[in-house]
Amino acid sequence: QVQLVESGGGVVQPGRSLRLSCEASGFTFSNYDMHWVRQAPGKGLEWVALIWFDGSNKNYADSVKGRFTISRDNSKNTLYLQMNSLRAEDTAVYYCAREDHGGPYYWGQGTLVTVSS
Amino acid sequence: SYELTQPPSVSVSPGQTARITCSGDALPKKYAYWYQQKSGQAPVLVIYEDSKRPSGIPERFSGSSSGTMATLTISGAQVEDEADYYCYSTDTSGDHRVFGGGTKLTVL
Repeated sequence: QVQLVESGGGVVQPGRSLRLSCEASGFTFSNYDMHWVRQAPGKGLEWVALIWFDGSNKNYADSVKGRFTISRDNSKNTLYLQMNSLRAEDTAVYYCAREDHGGPYYWGQGTLVTVSS
Repeated sequence: SYELTQPPSVSVSPGQTARITCSGDALPKKYAYWYQQKSGQAPVLVIYEDSKRPSGIPERFSGSSSGTMATLTISGAQVEDEADYYCYSTDTSGDHRVFGGGTKLTVL
């Protein structure tokens, strides 16, 4: 069965960097587009970034463009999110999700990122 | 930046029909998707491409779209349908995905 396991979250100071990982199993990772979606505490879902199945195209929300980088290693079945210049408003649970039926379909359980001094 | 607008809350009694709307300028050209999120859980896709239902989703969930508004309908809402519901779509360029602000459905 499809499994997505995020890791790399934690507490980080404003202005610092953090890299999230999402390990995929149960499907052919290299065949699917992948998303990062986040949810601030008590708030709604916010789409963050998308990467095509082969890494050839990447799209970002305006709120993270220029600071975050989505990437993937299809040989390791792993999705990444490099987050630089972190701000308090980046505090959220970060989910990775596999695209299917045209949108994020299979979701991980999320990893919490807290940006605080 | 592109936005999808949802009502903050909808309330119905068990067995009634719940309707949740989502408005966006690109919806005449782009599909709408609907997600259900229960407290402490990851979202679940309940409707894709305006009106299609993934396997395992009860038939009481249906979707429609007309003009700049998409609608999620839950016919005969049940207590277990209480959750936050989010619409999702893309802007006209297709480069930016976006979620609506979410609607809290109360069934009591």
